[in-house]
Amino acid sequence: GAGVSQTPSNKVTEKGKYVELRCDPISGHTALYWYRQSLGQGPEFLIYFQGTGAADDSGLPNDRFFAVRPEGSVSTLKIQRTERGDSAVYLCASSRTVRETQYFGPGTRLLVL
Amino acid sequence: KQEVTQIPAALSVPEGENLVLNCSFTDSAIYNLQWFRQDPGKGLTSLLLIQSSQREQTSGRLNASLDKSSGRSTLYIAASQPGDSATYLCAVMNYGGSQGNLIFGKGTKLSVKP
Repeated sequence: GAGVSQTPSNKVTEKGKYVELRCDPISGHTALYWYRQSLGQGPEFLIYFQGTGAADDSGLPNDRFFAVRPEGSVSTLKIQRTERGDSAVYLCASSRTVRETQYFGPGTRLLVL
Repeated sequence: KQEVTQIPAALSVPEGENLVLNCSFTDSAIYNLQWFRQDPGKGLTSLLLIQSSQREQTSGRLNASLDKSSGRSTLYIAASQPGDSATYLCAVMNYGGSQGNLIFGKGTKLSVKP
């Protein structure tokens, strides 16, 4: 079956612009997670959803970051007024239920100029 | 606050060697521990998941052990191959608090020379 997919694979934007990153989880997975990975670092947790609701958004760095999962499947991570420090790889993962093995997508590489 | 450390940061070995990657964590109250592989420019591939009640898990040439009380896990790779070259990440899920948050180490970059 298909794995987790993320679009776009690469995104270049200018400082101050708005971006949306999309994640399609594995079909039937109820839990969905967003992480951010900077160069040379391990991924850092941002937010996770159980169904349609954000169960834990404690990793979002500030109110410029927001994520939704309106129908309990596809999720969109939204970043307003992008800053150069937002440049990183944004990883999405899903699991059958919470606390089970997380399966990761290939990531979206965001570069803010 | 849980912290995960991986040593060494980088490792280069000749093909055929057996090797051990180390992972330590500061809070022993974990739910599970997971080892991942990451190839350059790619996402993460799950290798092994060890529940807190387990001592080890095996998959092919890989064996992961867990000593929760001492806050340590090791990933053993037997008969290494050039195709094993990648960054290996260790991640823990805490028992309490957020149920979805994996806490990662910075990884060990492995290079297996033919």
